[in-house]
Amino acid sequence: DGGITQSPKYLFRKEGQNVTLSCEQNLNHDAMYWYRQDPGQGLRLIYYSQIVNDFQKGDIAEGYSVSREKKESFPLTVTSAQKNPTAFYLCASSIQGSNTGELFFGEGSRLTVL
Amino acid sequence: GQQVMQIPQYQHVQEGEDFTTYCNSSTTLSNIQWYKQRPGGHPVFLIQLVKSGEVKKQKRLTFQFGEAKKNSSLHITATQTTDVGTYFCAGARGSQGNLIFGKGTKLSVKP
Repeated sequence: DGGITQSPKYLFRKEGQNVTLSCEQNLNHDAMYWYRQDPGQGLRLIYYSQIVNDFQKGDIAEGYSVSREKKESFPLTVTSAQKNPTAFYLCASSIQGSNTGELFFGEGSRLTVL
Repeated sequence: GQQVMQIPQYQHVQEGEDFTTYCNSSTTLSNIQWYKQRPGGHPVFLIQLVKSGEVKKQKRLTFQFGEAKKNSSLHITATQTTDVGTYFCAGARGSQGNLIFGKGTKLSVKP
């Protein structure tokens, strides 16, 4: 089945450690996105990529980094510089890099900093 | 910055009652999308509205886009327990800007 796979589903990290969240899609979509969701909040955009080897900062990029070396993959690194990293992270993709198409979401990764 | 406001934040209804959530933007939107997130799940696309005054129906769900393209609503007729979840609107400004999500309306349905 086509879709988006995020891993790990749950992750625990000590303060000061970097952690990388995986996002893979086999939908052949050009655009990929990372969102952060906190309780009672909407989805906030961290980074997005409209094409391979190119990505842009979203609204809350500080303390995060991404890469887009392959069309299928868009990993997110939560660095130690992120002051409040405990959250639910959602990866999404869309057919093309515009806001006029449906977003397909992965099942999410829940990060807890101890 | 640009915001999309969504109300109410929570709604508790008895099964069979109707439910409505509203989305408002201070600026004109090029389109608006609606998503549903079940408890413990991920957002799933429901619909996209593009035209001024547009109304679309999906079974018991009715979606509207305002004439000025600044507001939208989702109405569920005769709620069922399967409707439980958080409903998000997401607005777009222009063809290149990113979607801005509302904070969502969490619906609970009492059997």
